[in-house]
Amino acid sequence: EDKVVQSPLSLVVHEGDTVTLNCSYEVTNFRSLLWYKQEKKAPTFLFMLTSSGIEKKSGRLSSILDKKELFSILNITATQTGDSAIYLCAVDLFGNEKLTFGTGTRLTIIP
Amino acid sequence: NAGVTQTPKFRILKIGQSMTLQCTQDMNHNYMYWYRQDPGMGLKLIYYSVGAGITDKGEVPNGYNVSRSTTEDFPLRLELAAPSQTSVYFCASSSSKSDHVYEQYFGPGTRLTVT
Repeated sequence: EDKVVQSPLSLVVHEGDTVTLNCSYEVTNFRSLLWYKQEKKAPTFLFMLTSSGIEKKSGRLSSILDKKELFSILNITATQTGDSAIYLCAVDLFGNEKLTFGTGTRLTIIP
Repeated sequence: NAGVTQTPKFRILKIGQSMTLQCTQDMNHNYMYWYRQDPGMGLKLIYYSVGAGITDKGEVPNGYNVSRSTTEDFPLRLELAAPSQTSVYFCASSSSKSDHVYEQYFGPGTRLTVT
């Protein structure tokens, strides 16, 4: 059975701190890994990663994939209260029309 | 483009009642999905569709039905509501090319309470 595991489940830090969120997967026919941010409503897309070792970056957020060790990390530097959200990772498989989501990491930034 | 729209935003049902959650997308995406999200949990796939006339079960299909008569619309039907179906429901859509699922675009969600 395909599995996507995120850690930690919950994280509380102070504004300005740097955080690292983890997503590991055990799947067959991996094609890509996606990160989403979910604030109060619907998830919004952050990154899609298909190749190992190539960092994707958007402002203070960055992400990298390790296809040998089967995980990805999402880094957020100089955190702000607006970064408080649930961060979801999902895996896309060859021959599969749907994404497999992890349970998410709830990040809370204290001012 | 409105993207993915869902109605209603909120609904309270009594046990045993029925309802349809509506989902429409205007991006000409062929793939559409229904998820539920329970408090503190991730997304669980209920049903999905790869095109008009084609639907398939996800992880948690029991108690739900779907249809896909057009590319734009993908309604989710609850026939006999149960308290276990209290959740937030998200509809999503994505394009596909050569069987590759591109990023999914989500609707704003429907918060359903069954009492």
